[in-house]
Amino acid sequence: GENVEQHPSTLSVQEGDSAVIKCTYSDSASNYFPWYKQELGKRPQLIIDIRSNVGEKKDQRIAVTLNKTAKHFSLHITETQPEDSAVYFCAPNTGGFKTIFGAGTRLFVKA
Amino acid sequence: NAGVTQTPKFQVLKTGQSMTLQCAQDMNHEYMSWYRQDPGMGLRLIHYSVGAGITDQGEVPNGYNVSRSTTEDFPLRLLSAAPSQTSVYFCASKNRGTYGYTFGSGTRLTVV
Repeated sequence: GENVEQHPSTLSVQEGDSAVIKCTYSDSASNYFPWYKQELGKRPQLIIDIRSNVGEKKDQRIAVTLNKTAKHFSLHITETQPEDSAVYFCAPNTGGFKTIFGAGTRLFVKA
Repeated sequence: NAGVTQTPKFQVLKTGQSMTLQCAQDMNHEYMSWYRQDPGMGLRLIHYSVGAGITDQGEVPNGYNVSRSTTEDFPLRLLSAAPSQTSVYFCASKNRGTYGYTFGSGTRLTVV
């Protein structure tokens, strides 16, 4: 089955700095690479995703980059704000029905 | 659309009791899943379903049963609650051919 690892497990940045979270996966058949954000006490929500035929995707201050050869993809957040503080999960999959999530990265943005 | 609705939001059980966590979605999604999230940890897959009448086990299925008699509903049953099942439970759904999950608001379960 899919083995998913996220690094780092905790990340603390100063407001305005950039943050990068990396997700490594094992299943070479994975072709969909999403990131979810979970604020304290809330449900996970999809914030950005990328398909395997695209190397990078941006949406305002967040971006996802994919390296299929090395089997990893990353979440980039620029100009971080306190409201970016949350736990972020990756969940690489084939679009099928059994999705394994990474263990999560807790991001703290200090004002 | 209500999306994915979970009930109850909070529950306290005694060891050995049984209960059913309810999950319903009104988006006509084929795929539904149950995850548990322990403090400071990620989401672990308990059971999933690819359509009415079809279910399968995830990473941590022991102690839980599921059924899928309709497209809309996917209840999770705890047969004999144990303190190790204290967790937050999330139900999630998506449609065939789509990739991102929609999550319910969660059920916080405490077993004493």
